Amino acid sequence: AQSVTQPDIHITVSEGASLELRCNYSYGATPYLFWYVQSPGQGLQLLLKYFSGDTLVQGIKGFEAEFKRSQSSFNLRKPSVHWSDAAEYFCAVAFTGGGNKLTFGTGTQLKVEL
Amino acid sequence: KAGVTQTPRYLIKTRGQQVTLSCSPISGHRSVSWYQQTPGQGLQFLFEYFSETQRNKGNFPGRFSGRQFSNSRSEMNVSTLELGDSALYLCASSLVTGPRTDTQYFGPGTRLTVL
Repeated sequence: AQSVTQPDIHITVSEGASLELRCNYSYGATPYLFWYVQSPGQGLQLLLKYFSGDTLVQGIKGFEAEFKRSQSSFNLRKPSVHWSDAAEYFCAVAFTGGGNKLTFGTGTQLKVEL
Repeated sequence: KAGVTQTPRYLIKTRGQQVTLSCSPISGHRSVSWYQQTPGQGLQFLFEYFSETQRNKGNFPGRFSGRQFSNSRSEMNVSTLELGDSALYLCASSLVTGPRTDTQYFGPGTRLTVL
């Protein structure tokens, strides 16, 4: 069965610093990979997704992610964090034949220090 | 364009009762998926409906059920509520089924508290 691991439960960065959130997946074939963000009291918003092709994916709000097949990773990055980026971030995986079913990681809570 | 709407936003029930949650997808969307979010188990897939048919189902007991109407609105029902059913229930909609074809848009969720 496919699974997603987000090793960091909490991360704190200073505003203006760079950010990298880690995500590792376990799946036999190339999965479809996603990053979502959830602000308090809100639903999930899609930041970016990877299906195939270029392994560096650009998303909204200045985020990007890089798919590395050899490491089974799909890490999320942002060069300069803004205070409004404080939220919880979820990595998710889907697969062919699974319809719209997403398997989520446990999430990383991002705190931004001013 | 209106987003995904979930009603009610908050709900308090007691053990043993049943509850029905509603989700109205974005206009034109035919796929609706449901997720349960708890601090202990995280985000877990419940089921997906597409064109009134259940297409996928997660590992939840039979007390959790759902349906989709011809206008794509969906409801989920939980019978014989347990304390562990307290959670945020999220609904997501997309044009069609299959992750490659379209983005899923999530609603704000229904916060269910079971006392």
